[in-house]
Order: sequence, then C-alpha cells, then structure tokens
Amino acid sequence: QKEVEQDPGPLSVPEGAIVSLNCTYSNSAFQYFMWYRQYSRKGPELLMYTYSSGNKEDGRFTAQVDKSSKYISLFIRDSQPSDSATYLCAMKGILTGGGNKLTFGTGTQLKVEL
Amino acid sequence: DGGITQSPKYLFRKEGQNVTLSCEQNLNHDAMYWYRQDPGQGLRLIYYSQIVNDFQKGDIAEGYSVSREKKESFPLTVTSAQKNPTAFYLCASSISYLWTSGDYTGELFFGEGSRLTVL
Repeated sequence: QKEVEQDPGPLSVPEGAIVSLNCTYSNSAFQYFMWYRQYSRKGPELLMYTYSSGNKEDGRFTAQVDKSSKYISLFIRDSQPSDSATYLCAMKGILTGGGNKLTFGTGTQLKVEL
Repeated sequence: DGGITQSPKYLFRKEGQNVTLSCEQNLNHDAMYWYRQDPGQGLRLIYYSQIVNDFQKGDIAEGYSVSREKKESFPLTVTSAQKNPTAFYLCASSISYLWTSGDYTGELFFGEGSRLTVL
C-alpha cells in the first residue's frame, strides 16, 4: 500500500464548477501538507500549503486537512479552463536527518471545459 | 529572472550509454533535488543535496549518480545500470532546513524537466 493515495482521474468538469481533489495517507507522522499544480510538460509549482489540521483559503482555492481521517482536500471554486492541469498532493513529517523529503501522490489530471 | 534551468529538454539514449542531465539554479538555494516522474507513480526522489559537497540517496538511487561541486549546479548521471531509465526527470531546489527555524515550508521550486527516452 502506498503512503499517499490519490485518484489519478482524469476529471473533466464544465467551466464554473466546484472541483474537489482528494488524497488519503497512512503515515500519521505527516504534519505538512501541500498541493502542487503541474501544467503539461512543465515542472510542478506550489499552490497551497497547510500545517497540521484545518482550512486555508487563497482566492478560489481552499485546502483542508483532516488528520483524524488522514484525508486532505483541495477545492477549486468557479473553475476556469486555465485550471486544467495535474494536481499533486505532497506531505512530510517533522524534519529529521533526512531533511526536506516530500512524499507525493500520483497526481489527479483535471480538465475544465468551456 | 531567478529560476531553475534543466537541459536538455529531450534526450534519446541507446541502451548501455550513460547520460548526464544538467540542472542549474540562480535562486541562491542550498538544497537541490532530483525526482523521477512516471505515469501513475507520482514523483519519486532519486538524490538530494542539502549543501555543497554533500548529497544523500533518495528512495530510488540505484543506477544514478550525482555531484554537488557548486551551489548552483546539481547534475544527474543516468548510468547503464539503471534498468528502466525512460522517464521525465525533474530537478528542484529549496531553502535548506539547516539554516531555518520556526515555520519552514520547504517549498520546492522545480525546473521544466528533462524527458529521457531509451531506444
């Protein structure tokens, strides 16, 4: 079983829809949770970052972490065609001698159609 | 503009050949990383370096080698010992956790990737 599970999609939604992207994880030591966005043939870029449990909002994007269920979500409101990309969740525990090592999900491919 | 430059973008290799992927950054970051991305497997860490002249194996280091002689540069060599080298390779950098305290996001800044195909 992978430490981080993410539905690969593809997920296709109409413009303006609310999108929900999710990851589950098994390692209870994870404390930092991130969402990266990756456009086709490009490197990922950090979209949202959350420490421990709770919600964080940034414009049309909301990140939620439920540590009791080991479940994280990214919501996109009023989705736009420019949101079409692959969304990768990533997480890590408290820093150890291993440094800044992230565990990534497989990524969910999202397409927002006109 | 500050960023990470990977070259080449596309590379073809015959079986049995070593190839070296270049990664240069001008973000003044101490830490650098190499990831491999395959369909359905997400990003997997090959090697990372927190400081010049030091590097550590990641989760899938077998068949790869790196060097970190300069802060700006972290080249990756894919050797003939790597059994399935065809993949998308991503280089990243970050502020090193060694020099931070308090809230440390460890945000990774990625290059645009190098796609290696073995013929």
